[in-house]
Amino acid sequence: AQSVTQLDSHVSVSEGTPVLLRCNYSSSYSPSLFWYVQHPNKGLQLLLKYTSAATLVKGINGFEAEFKKSETSFHLTKPSAHMSDAAEYFCVGGGTGRRALTFGSGTRLQVQP
Amino acid sequence: DAGVTQSPTHLIKTRGQHVTLRCSPISGHKSVSWYQQVLGQGPQFIFQYYEKEERGRGNFPDRFSARQFPNYSSELNVNALLLGDSALYLCASSLTLGQGRSNQPQHFGDGTRLSIL
Repeated sequence: AQSVTQLDSHVSVSEGTPVLLRCNYSSSYSPSLFWYVQHPNKGLQLLLKYTSAATLVKGINGFEAEFKKSETSFHLTKPSAHMSDAAEYFCVGGGTGRRALTFGSGTRLQVQP
Repeated sequence: DAGVTQSPTHLIKTRGQHVTLRCSPISGHKSVSWYQQVLGQGPQFIFQYYEKEERGRGNFPDRFSARQFPNYSSELNVNALLLGDSALYLCASSLTLGQGRSNQPQHFGDGTRLSIL
């Protein structure tokens, strides 16, 4: 069964420093993986998706994620954090044939001035 | 272009009542999914509808039901409300059914926040 695990419930960085949000997945199938962001009292916005065409996936707002099959990881990174990046981030899986998204537990990103 | 729209944005009910939440998908999207997000947790899948038929159901009691209309909009109904039903209910739409190899993302509305007193 498809599942995703977000390794940190809370990450705090200073503005202008790199961001790393960690996600591991487990699946018997080639996975479909996504990162979504949720700002307070808002729905979820797609940041990026893994399409299997490339292991390094570029998303919106300067975020990118690298799919590493050997490590079953799909970590989200950004070179330089901005105050507006403060939000909840969800790593999401949806394996072949499944019709529902499986959400990780979320990582709350704080950006300090 | 309008995104996924949900109504109402906020709702307060008491235990034992029933509630109907509404969702309009992005134009051209034929699949609608419903999720429940309890405070501090990730969304949990409730239902997926495609072409007016239920195509997936999460681990929720029969008090939860939904339907999709010919214009692809959808309603989520919850009967005999419990305190634990307090949550943000999210609707998402996608072009077709399933994620699979097509990797089609789902587009989310801002949700309906349901509070049970």
